[in-house]
Order: sequence, then structure tokens, then C-alpha cells
Amino acid sequence: NAGVTQTPKFQVLKTGQSMTLQCAQDMNHEYMSWYRQDPGMGLRLIHYSVGAGITDQGEVPNGYNVSRSTTEDFPLRLLSAAPSQTSVYFCATSGDISTDTQYFGPGTRLTVL
Amino acid sequence: DAKTTQPPSMDCAEGRAANLPCNHSTISGNEYVYWYRQIHSQGPQYIIHGLKNNETNEMASLIITEDRKSSTLILPHATLRDTAVYYCIVRVAIFGQGGKLIFGQGTELSVKP
Repeated sequence: NAGVTQTPKFQVLKTGQSMTLQCAQDMNHEYMSWYRQDPGMGLRLIHYSVGAGITDQGEVPNGYNVSRSTTEDFPLRLLSAAPSQTSVYFCATSGDISTDTQYFGPGTRLTVL
Repeated sequence: DAKTTQPPSMDCAEGRAANLPCNHSTISGNEYVYWYRQIHSQGPQYIIHGLKNNETNEMASLIITEDRKSSTLILPHATLRDTAVYYCIVRVAIFGQGGKLIFGQGTELSVKP
């Protein structure tokens, strides 16, 4: 039982490049989400999904796309990376009926030059 | 979701109890108090949550005032591994369906030998 996994752990991009951050979970949770954390700041919600085929925007969705074709996976796409997207990205899942706990992945550290 | 106020930093001696306060004066009747912590840029980790009664689990205790306008997270015997940023989050919980977590600045707890 791996919980929530994220790949890659580190990534350096040039401005204008595109890439996909991967998030996978093996807990059969319906709810998945993406947060970003800038230095010295709390986490901010980018996009979330309440189940396969359903996604919605969070606080800071601009510049990011998501899709949810399976329960297990929730990739985050940067279409044209900008230096302002330099951040640490965390994926989270939730499905615990008794506590509503959210489980976070280890994060992806992205630098855009 | 109600806004929370936490002190930016606190120190605690190893082996002593760490008491982390949180003010949430605009909390609504159906909002829960959640605590998460983040150790050195890892993904946030759930600690405990409560509605109006005091709660205890293997990690911590949560004391909520009778008027629910403030709460205190208690780590009974702090260790060096408890050094982290602690986030107090107030939100409506729809158990099993996830939901947005609004992270403030949190309290940076330093446990010292």
C-alpha cells in the first residue's frame, strides 16, 4: 500500500516548456486535489476532483490543466511554464468517511528558469 | 470557511507539553477544527480534528473552548521530531467527500533539547 505517490520529485523547466506532474493513489479515494506551496507560504488549492470524469478549479487554477480518467490517477499539466510557477506541488486524496482526513504526497519541486 | 489566527512561532523544551493556540472567532456551527502539520517541506500530515468536544488520539489532544471561538492543540511530550509548522484549519466537513483545505501561515514550532 503506497498511499499517494508523486513523480517526478524534482524538475527544472525552461520558460514555455510543458510538462505533466503525476499523482497516483491506491486507497480508492474519490477526492483528489493539487496544491502549490511557495516559499514561506501555506498551501493553495489549484484544482480538485470529486471522482473520475469530474474536475473543478481551486484558488489558483490559471496556467494549469487537469483531467481524471481513473480513480487512481490525477495528473497536473503545465501547458507553457512560467517562472511564477516555480513552487512545490502537493497532491492530496481524501475518502475517509469517519475523519475526512486528507493524505498528501511527498511533493514535486519544480523550478522554471 | 472561517478564518484562523495562529502565532507565527513558538519554542518548546523537549519532553515538555507543547500548547499551540488558534483563534477562530467567526466559526460556524457546522464547521470543524482540523490540525495538520508539515515537517520540513514534506507533505502535510493530519493530526486531529473536533467539532465541540475535546478530542484525544495517539498524536495529540485538542481542546475547544465552550464558545468554540478558540482551540488549543496539545502535544503532551514534545520530541525533536515534532519540530514542524502546525496549521489550524476550520472547515465544513462532508465526510468521505474531501474538500478544500485553506492553509494560513501556521505556527512554526521548534522543539529544543
